[in-house]
Amino acid sequence: DADVTQTPRNRITKTGKRIMLECSQTKGHDRMYWYRQDPGLGLRLIYYSFDVKDINKGEISDGYSVSRQAQAKFSLSLESAIPNQTALYFCATRLSGSTYNEQFFGPGTRLTVL
Amino acid sequence: QKEVEQNSGPLSVPEGAIASLNCTYSDRGSQSFFWYRQYSGKSPELIMFIYSNGDKEDGRFTAQLNKASQYVSLLIRDSQPSDSATYLCAVRTNTGNQFYFGTGTSLTVIP
Repeated sequence: DADVTQTPRNRITKTGKRIMLECSQTKGHDRMYWYRQDPGLGLRLIYYSFDVKDINKGEISDGYSVSRQAQAKFSLSLESAIPNQTALYFCATRLSGSTYNEQFFGPGTRLTVL
Repeated sequence: QKEVEQNSGPLSVPEGAIASLNCTYSDRGSQSFFWYRQYSGKSPELIMFIYSNGDKEDGRFTAQLNKASQYVSLLIRDSQPSDSATYLCAVRTNTGNQFYFGTGTSLTVIP
């Protein structure tokens, strides 16, 4: 089984709709991140969480909100989707204090807003 | 100025050649540097990390770090067609709270 899972994997929605992307992990990591990836712009950080009670805005948080329901679950919501939120979204996890400090990525969610 | 900059490419090399990928960063206090490989439509996967000035080798991959010049590079020796992918440079800031990614360099290895 995958260590970091994202649902849905693909989603097409309409402008103005509310949508939630979910991320779950079985790695036991405390830190979780949401990124979006756009062609030519690379990965950009939306929100990150160090534990259930610690949520922080990233580089591009406007138009998004998050919820850390448990250490293993981190959801990203688009309250009112707009076409320029069409992108590939990745969840990532990391274990604080780990030797290598690397992030592990989920498989991604491809979101299209019409 | 972006936190992390990479030449977007595309970079093409013949099979068996050395591919050289470069990255510069703006935060002089950055501590950790990572190279991720990303196949089209897939998630990034870590292939190398480096913390100290100098070279670090792992199989066909060598990461090079020069903190004075704020420069990190990745060399791929004996390039294979399976190395064809986008390579992302990532930098962990001094505060340790965020990672910044470059836009990636697209590499094609021609058989």
